[in-house]
Amino acid sequence: EAQVTQNPRYLITVTGKKLTVTCSQNMNHEYMSWYRQDPGLGLRQIYYSMNVEVTDKGDVPEGYKVSRKEKRNFPLILESPSPNQTSLYFCASSFTQDLNTEAFFGQGTRLTVV
Amino acid sequence: QKEVEQDPGPLSVPEGAIVSLNCTYSNSAFQYFMWYRQYSRKGPELLMYTYSSGNKEDGRFTAQVDKSSKYISLFIRDSQPSDSATYLCAIPGGGKLIFGQGTELSVKP
Repeated sequence: EAQVTQNPRYLITVTGKKLTVTCSQNMNHEYMSWYRQDPGLGLRQIYYSMNVEVTDKGDVPEGYKVSRKEKRNFPLILESPSPNQTSLYFCASSFTQDLNTEAFFGQGTRLTVV
Repeated sequence: QKEVEQDPGPLSVPEGAIVSLNCTYSNSAFQYFMWYRQYSRKGPELLMYTYSSGNKEDGRFTAQVDKSSKYISLFIRDSQPSDSATYLCAIPGGGKLIFGQGTELSVKP
């Protein structure tokens, strides 16, 4: 089954404790990205990757890191989480960077930073 | 001004009603227009997309684009309780999908 898998689905952590949210896709997609979803603000892009070893900032990259060492994986790293990073996070992948084709989303990771 | 604006609702309608969901956008260069549907506790899924102006129909759903007024719409005919979800317009631009805020729709039996 074609899918984007994120883990964990739910996470509660404390301020400053480094964490990683994993994302993996099995569709051989070139393009992957991370979004956060907040009430009233919709989905905002954090980082994206057009291919292996190619990453770039989205609209809200502060406080986040990513890496793309393999085509299928695109982890999101919060080196020192803060309460304003409490949000619902989605990983997405697309066949090409044109984004004119369907973007497939993971199930989401609900992060709470206390 | 946001690149894509969408009325967040919430919108509540009785079963069988016609639903109209709308977005406006600012960049006249945009060519592709998409609608994603997001059920509670799930990721968004592509519902429909259109290219340039005009209408596209898929069952009970019709997507409409008016490039002259930079206005996109999604119509749902004979709405069903299973249509209850958040609907997000999305436009590819600048290497990303630009989303509207999403409209939360509830269809009451």
